[in-house]
Amino acid sequence: GENVEQHPSTLSVQEGDSAVIKCTYSDSASNYFPWYKQELGKRPQLIIDIRSNVGEKKDQRIAVTLNKTAKHFSLHITETQPEDSAVYFCAATQGGSEKLVFGKGMKLTVNP
Amino acid sequence: DTAVSQTPKYLVTQMGNDKSIKCEQNLGHDTMYWYKQDSKKFLKIMFSYNNKELIINETVPNRFSPKSPDKAHLNLHINSLELGDSAVYFCASSQDHTGGREQYFGPGTRLTVT
Repeated sequence: GENVEQHPSTLSVQEGDSAVIKCTYSDSASNYFPWYKQELGKRPQLIIDIRSNVGEKKDQRIAVTLNKTAKHFSLHITETQPEDSAVYFCAATQGGSEKLVFGKGMKLTVNP
Repeated sequence: DTAVSQTPKYLVTQMGNDKSIKCEQNLGHDTMYWYKQDSKKFLKIMFSYNNKELIINETVPNRFSPKSPDKAHLNLHINSLELGDSAVYFCASSQDHTGGREQYFGPGTRLTVT
């Protein structure tokens, strides 16, 4: 089955800095890689996703890159703001199925 | 215009009791899920239904029994609750189960077993 590793587990940055979260996966058949943001006490919400036929995707201050050969993908947040403080989860599908396997999450703190 | 809703939001109960959590989605999606998020925030899938049919059944104790009366509803019944069942349970839905579909999460049900 799929195994998704995420690191670091915590990251603290100053407002305006960039933040990078890295994930690796094990199933070479995985084809969909979403990133979810979960604020304290709230539900996980999709912020960006990437499919296996794309190497990079950007949406305003966030971008995701995928390296299929190395089986890793990363989330980049630029010009961080205090409201970016949350737990971020990467995930990967098991094969081409709908089953998402999540990383253990990374707590991002953006200090004003 | 809530997309995925769950009831109750909080559930406090004693060991050995039986409880149910209800989930409804008004997105017209075919596929619904139950996830468990433990105290370390680890999010793990438990079950998935597509059009009332069970398609994912992870290694979950058989004290947990999902039921989908129609494709807009997915309930979770838990028998003989144990301390280790304390967690936040999230329902989610997606358009279908072909893979690569965004999953929309409900607000969660915080279950505390004492």
